[in-house]
Formats: sequence, C-alpha cells, structure tokens
Amino acid sequence: EAGVVQSPRYKIIEKKQPVAFWCNPISGHNTLYWYLQNLGQGPELLIRYENEEAVDDSQLPKDRFSAERLKGVDSTLKIQPAELGDSAVYLCASSLRETGNTIYFGEGSWLTVV
Amino acid sequence: QKEVEQDPGPLSVPEGAIVSLNCTYSNSAFQYFMWYRQYSRKGPELLMYTYSSGNKEDGRFTAQVDKSSKYISLFIRDSQPSDSATYLCAMRDDYKLSFGAGTTVTVRA
Repeated sequence: EAGVVQSPRYKIIEKKQPVAFWCNPISGHNTLYWYLQNLGQGPELLIRYENEEAVDDSQLPKDRFSAERLKGVDSTLKIQPAELGDSAVYLCASSLRETGNTIYFGEGSWLTVV
Repeated sequence: QKEVEQDPGPLSVPEGAIVSLNCTYSNSAFQYFMWYRQYSRKGPELLMYTYSSGNKEDGRFTAQVDKSSKYISLFIRDSQPSDSATYLCAMRDDYKLSFGAGTTVTVRA
C-alpha cells in the first residue's frame, strides 16, 4: 500500500515568490492534515480536512497561506508571497476518521526561502 | 509555556544500552499518548500509542504513561545503531494532536 505522497521534496525560492506543495493521502483516508515543522521543533498543525471540508484552520496564516482539497482526495498548500521565516518542512498526513490517532505522515516538502 | 515539554537532548548511548526518553505536559484533557520516530529527512512514523495510564510493551519498546504526574516515557531496550533518530512524543485531546520538540538519539556501534 502506498503511503502519503508529497511533492516537491525540496524547493528553494526567493522571498516574495509563490510556492505550492501537493499531497496525495493514503487511499481511503478521509482526514488530511498539513503540518509545519521548524528545525528542532515538533510538527504544528496548519489545517485539517475531513473529506473536502476544512474543519480546523485556526493556525493557518490566512494572509499568505491557502489550502484546498478538491474532491476530498489530493490537497494543495500554497504560500504567496513567501517570507524568509517560511523556511521549514511542510508535512502532509492522513488518517481514517475512526482511528484518528493513527496518523501517517509523508516525507515532507523542504522549503528554503532565500 | 508549551503544552508539551520534551528535552531535545541530544542523547548519545553505546549499542545495547537502554534509552530513556520522557515528556511532561500541562493539559489535563490529553487522553491519547503517542511516540513517533523521525529519521533524518523523513516524516514521523508512529511507534507506540497508549490510551490510559500504565505500561505498554512492543518488542524492545516500552511506553509508560502517568496521568497523575502528567508524565510519559519511552524506553528502548538493547538499543541498536538503527534506532538513531529523533523521537517525538505527541498527545491528543478531543480536538488536536500536540507534539513535543523531539529528542535526538544516537546509538554508537
């Protein structure tokens, strides 16, 4: 069974440029998460989807970050414009709603803003 | 103050030693407790999951939860170089999963 797939794995952009990350969750998982992980820190939730509905986006900086999950499967996280402080790892994860404690993470998208 | 506190280490032990990791927390609503392992340049993977106070064992790994002290631990017996990774504690209430900062462990051959 394929795991959570993320792309790109690595991205270097100049500040003020836009960037987008894509995530394909495990087949059948209705809950999808985007986490931010800074160096030396644990992941922090940005947004959680139940199917196509964003049920928790309280930590998403909405002035520059946006996310969508069309058709309740794949998801895209966008940053526009990027700032130097956005350099971090963006982790996508998924779970079955009924077993929400078993969250499976992708390998992450590593963003460097210069 | 963070809801979940975890000593970032780093921790270096010889092969075969027992690795002891722990986290403290302040939110009494946390009901589910997890340990994740994260290798360099990889995403976290779930190691252990416990619901109640007490011990849970899985092979060389033992997770302990003491809700009265708001303290959880992970022990790795007979540690191997392949156990070298960052270990993240995580805990969940009804709404969200909160992670510790992670402890980086190196097991020396």
